[in-house]
Amino acid sequence: DVKVTQSSRYLVKRTGEKVFLECVQDMDHENMFWYRQDPGLGLRLIYFSYDVKMKEKGDIPEGYSVSREKKERFSLILESASTNQTSMYLCASSDGRGGGETQYFGPGTRLLVL
Amino acid sequence: GESVGLHLPTLSVQEGDNSIINCAYSNSASDYFIWYKQESGKGPQFIIDIRSNMDKRQGQRVTVLLNKTVKHLSLQIAATQPGDSAVYFCAEKSAGGSYIPTFGRGTSLIVHP
Repeated sequence: DVKVTQSSRYLVKRTGEKVFLECVQDMDHENMFWYRQDPGLGLRLIYFSYDVKMKEKGDIPEGYSVSREKKERFSLILESASTNQTSMYLCASSDGRGGGETQYFGPGTRLLVL
Repeated sequence: GESVGLHLPTLSVQEGDNSIINCAYSNSASDYFIWYKQESGKGPQFIIDIRSNMDKRQGQRVTVLLNKTVKHLSLQIAATQPGDSAVYFCAEKSAGGSYIPTFGRGTSLIVHP
């Protein structure tokens, strides 16, 4: 079974803090994704990566950056957290090879920025 | 269209009934479709998928139906149980397109014991 894990289930941070959200997948997947999920807005793609050290902006990259130094790990960074970044953050991965498009999600990190 | 959260479409059923959750898509080039289940406070879980060369696929207690003519997808859950209560949403992906699927907003299924 695919396993995607996220470093924290709940986080509380203060405005202006630097925040790191970590995601690890154990299935040697090529692609990894960060989404945020908010009531009324559904899933919105922040960034994705299709290979180590590669990254692409999604629909709402402003205020975020990412890092993918190893294939299994994809980090989301909030350089200076703001209250409008309070949200549920979901990491996902997909194989990307041979038609493996299915995205598998982690349990989510609920971030509260005060 | 659908909306999520406070304005999420809701389907209420009694335990033991069959449930049908619907999803409309707009891209006629979409060739791969996925249903996810998301329980409260958790990440979405893959349930079942279907490719556009099929019109029906069955899993354990779930069936997905695809009608490409009207661009409609449905998820049928047989003998619905309280543990099936969750938000269900579909995702579509275009052939030869990017790695990124397009997600629907979701339907909240409430199963009454």
